[in-house]
Amino acid sequence: NAGVTQTPKFRILKIGQSMTLQCTQDMNHNYMYWYRQDPGMGLKLIYYSVGAGITDKGEVPNGYNVSRSTTEDFPLRLELAAPSQTSVYFCASRFTSGIDTQYFGPGTRLTVL
Amino acid sequence: EDKVVQSPLSLVVHEGDTVTLNCSYEVTNFRSLLWYKQEKKAPTFLFMLTSSGIEKKSGRLSSILDKKELFSILNITATQTGDSAVYLCAVGETSGSRLTFGEGTQLTVNP
Repeated sequence: NAGVTQTPKFRILKIGQSMTLQCTQDMNHNYMYWYRQDPGMGLKLIYYSVGAGITDKGEVPNGYNVSRSTTEDFPLRLELAAPSQTSVYFCASRFTSGIDTQYFGPGTRLTVL
Repeated sequence: EDKVVQSPLSLVVHEGDTVTLNCSYEVTNFRSLLWYKQEKKAPTFLFMLTSSGIEKKSGRLSSILDKKELFSILNITATQTGDSAVYLCAVGETSGSRLTFGEGTQLTVNP
């Protein structure tokens, strides 16, 4: 079991560029999440999904989009990158019911210049 | 809006000290409280506390949940330099789909 994997590990973007952060899990979890973590801060929820084809906004969705076509994959799309999107992005997943524990990927460090 | 507040925001201690980290919450429909440890990478799960499990212990770490007063504490005894990390508290609701995280406590343990 690889768990939750994210690519790339690091990326530098110029203002206005777009990119997709990839997230894959092999634990057959239905629930998946995208968070961002700014320096010295906690985790802010961007988007989440409770199953293939179902997505919903979190606390800070502006400037991002997601899709969930399979159980395993939950990519996060940044359109028109801005310096305010400089952050570390974590993907997480968990079982459907009963257990709230989320399992995190290693993160993607994104810098927008 | 759900709210999770951790204190202190940072703490510096010496090896061997005992520390207590605090987490208070305001959540509409509380279901669970989770503690994570983050060492410059992804958060790793420590404990989950619910109405049916208000006290957990693992080695030198222990945690209790006070549902009446809406807070939890994480205790670390005989601290080691390897305990240096950010400790995150998160609260889950009965809807079951989301966690709300606090800002974290940065713990530094000096030799």
